[in-house]
This record gives sequence, structure tokens and C-alpha cells, in this order.
Amino acid sequence: ETAVFQTPNYHVTQVGNEVSFNCKQTLGHDTMYWYKQDSKKLLKIMFSYNNKQLIVNETVPRRFSPQSSDKAHLNLRIKSVEPEDSAVYLCASSFTGGAREQYFGPGTRLTVL
Amino acid sequence: TQTVSQSDAHVTVFEGDSVELRCNYSYGGSIYLSWYIQHHGRGLQFLLKYYSGNPVVQGVNGFEAEFSKSDSSFHLRKASVHWSDSAVYFCAVSSYQGGRALIFGTGTTVSVSP
Repeated sequence: ETAVFQTPNYHVTQVGNEVSFNCKQTLGHDTMYWYKQDSKKLLKIMFSYNNKQLIVNETVPRRFSPQSSDKAHLNLRIKSVEPEDSAVYLCASSFTGGAREQYFGPGTRLTVL
Repeated sequence: TQTVSQSDAHVTVFEGDSVELRCNYSYGGSIYLSWYIQHHGRGLQFLLKYYSGNPVVQGVNGFEAEFSKSDSSFHLRKASVHWSDSAVYFCAVSSYQGGRALIFGTGTTVSVSP
């Protein structure tokens, strides 16, 4: 099956803990993204990454960092979670170049207590 | 700065009705526009896109959208909705800068009644 896979589906943690979310795509794409979707369904780009360039949304706090081992994987690490980090984190991928649609994973819902 | 606005937060229609979801954007430069659908508890799925050429584009499941440069709009339409079309619909703009990340509107929730 070719798709974008995310683990875990849900994660509950306490303030100050470190968390890491995994994303893998089997579509052969060369660009991957992380988006944050808040409780009002608002979607905001956090990172986009291909093997040449990482682009970080300037509004993303420094406790967030993407981690990539190859072009099929882009994980998201949060060093010390805060209550406002509670959200759904969506991973996506696409080909680079032209008007390319993005393919999304099912999301990881993070709850920070 | 790119912005996308979706003026309707919630639309309720009956099965078999037509529906139009409005999207207006503001951006100066080379962009492309797209629509995505998100069913409850799921990720987003691509519906259709416009970059150039015929301003009316066809997408999956009977959806189409019309681009208007003069109105800065990219409205989504479907002639006859099905209950499975109940979802949140997002309009998005992307440029060749910024890693081609999508800038999303606030979404329109469509509820289809039997």
C-alpha cells in the first residue's frame, strides 16, 4: 500500500516531557511537511523539507524540530511540551516542482496535561 | 503575504442539493490553488487544483471549481451532494517560495441531511 503513515495515533503526556512522532511515506515523494491543526481546525505549516532544504515557519517555537533519516521519513520531536502544543499534527508529502498536490497522513493527536 | 479566506464556516444542505463553497485569496505572484476535504478524524484528501489554463477544473467525486483572477476567487461546487460529502473543506494556496507549503483557509464544514 502506498500512502503516508503516522504513529502514534494518539499521545497523552505531561507538561515538560519530550515526545516524538513518526511519519513515513511510501509514495516516492521527495518533499515532506508537518502541519499543526488546532482545536478550531485551523491548519498551519510548521516545516517543509526535502533533501536539499529545510524551511521552518518562523512562528514555530524552538522546542519543535524535524528529524529525517531519508527522504521517506520525517519525524517531529518536541523537546519540552507545553499545554498549547495540544493539537493534531499532520504529516504530508509531495513531489517537488510544479503545482503538486500533497498527500496527508491520518494525523497524531497530542494532548498535554 | 498570502491569505486565504473562506467566508462560510458552516453550510447545511439536503442530499441531492447543489452546494457552492466560497474561497478568496490574496497573493501577488505565481501560485496555485487547491481544495482538500477532511472527514471527521481523518487526514486531508486532495480534491482538485488550478494553476493555469481553463479556469474551471474538475476534481474527484463530481466536484469542480472555478478560478477568477478578477475576483481573486476559487469557489468549489458540486451539483448534487451525497451524505458522504459531509466533511470539512479547505481551500489552499501555495507558491514556489516557502517550500511549496500550503496556506489554508479556515475551512467550511458541510453537513448533508438525508
